[in-house]
Amino acid sequence: GENVGLHLPTLSVQEGDNSIINCAYSNSASDYFIWYKQESGKGPQFIIDIRSNMDKRQGQRVTVLLNKTVKHLSLQIAATQPGDSAVYFCAERNTGSYKLIFGSGTRLLVRP
Amino acid sequence: DADVTQTPRNRITKTGKRIMLECSQTKGHDRMYWYRQDPGLGLRLIYYSFDVKDINKGEISDGYSVSRQAQAKFSLSLESAIPNQTALYFCATSDGPLDGGAFFGQGTRLTVV
Repeated sequence: GENVGLHLPTLSVQEGDNSIINCAYSNSASDYFIWYKQESGKGPQFIIDIRSNMDKRQGQRVTVLLNKTVKHLSLQIAATQPGDSAVYFCAERNTGSYKLIFGSGTRLLVRP
Repeated sequence: DADVTQTPRNRITKTGKRIMLECSQTKGHDRMYWYRQDPGLGLRLIYYSFDVKDINKGEISDGYSVSRQAQAKFSLSLESAIPNQTALYFCATSDGPLDGGAFFGQGTRLTVV
């Protein structure tokens, strides 16, 4: 079946270091991917997206990489800050479905 | 004011009771969604609506029903709540093709005892 999953359920990083959060997906028909951030007590918040015709997209301190060959998505956060502590979800959209399928999430903990 | 507002934010109810969770949005989006979130699991789609006259089941619709009262309002009902429906519930909205993703409310924490 279709699956969007994450390799690491919890990631602990030192403040100021770079963070890399990974996600694997199994549906090669997915054409659009999104990373969400969810802070405690809040709903998921859009961070960055990427279309399947791209390999890399950069935002402010965040970069998303897409490797379609191995069906892998990653989120890189530069100079991680305490405010980055949250759960991060990847989501995929299957071509034509107009629905999102979410991974189970990775918790990012930033050590001072 | 939040773009997507859910009420109530927290609710404790007894097994067998009927409960309604409400969602309203000011984004002007046609598409609205109800998701459920359980610890260690991703968001799972319960129901979705692409316009006022369109209601569709998601992957876990059993035990739930929805009503799309207007473009801006989408409510989720548990007809007879059971303990395994204890979860965090999110309403979301999107434009047509989901460009920019879905916009989520703050969530409703529901406990069924």
